[in-house]
Amino acid sequence: ILNVEQSPQSLHVQEGDSTNFTCSFPSSNFYALHWYRWETAKSPEALFVMTLNGDEKKKGRISATLNTKEGYSYLYIKGSQPEDSATYLCASINTDKLIFGTGTRLQVFP
Amino acid sequence: ETGVTQSPTHLIKTRGQQVTLRCSSQSGHNTVSWYQQALGQGPQFIFQYYREEENGRGNFPPRFSGLQFPNYSSELNVNALELDDSALYLCASSRSSGANVLTFGAGSRLTVL
Repeated sequence: ILNVEQSPQSLHVQEGDSTNFTCSFPSSNFYALHWYRWETAKSPEALFVMTLNGDEKKKGRISATLNTKEGYSYLYIKGSQPEDSATYLCASINTDKLIFGTGTRLQVFP
Repeated sequence: ETGVTQSPTHLIKTRGQQVTLRCSSQSGHNTVSWYQQALGQGPQFIFQYYREEENGRGNFPPRFSGLQFPNYSSELNVNALELDDSALYLCASSRSSGANVLTFGAGSRLTVL
């Protein structure tokens, strides 16, 4: 994989549902993986920075895992709320560049 | 602690013109990166400045240039604007290059007619 890819592109869930999405990145020359949350008309906000294979990080109802050998990270949201509606971006640092995926747009309906 | 501020928030230019976008970094941050986000794309890395010197560049032509000032604020200049330069330009600061988390501004939306 030469690019950072995220799936799905968009996701619609009901309030209370748990959801997850994927970020795939080049496994060679891996340095770090970032997750950002970007609400409409606001700035992207950092969720997690992960560097070690097997890393798991948690922030409230949101958690993420990292597999650097196979080049993927999962982001999980437990019990989605309408305020979780946003675009979730991942970005990988390989050698010296931070390369972003195109994001997963999550919409949570009440 | 002030965040990253960008100006202007919106602007409209015509083909061939030049534009300067400005960014003030978060207090305590010495590295600034610029990204271009075109419609339907993820942010594309333009370049990064660390201690007033360019410290990495993406696949953008030389008409995209930048500066970083002693107070770590930064400018992005684009010459000879083309229609495809229409995009949201995001600035992000961090404590240094590497794995450090980025603090983003809200972006400058450029429309080229």
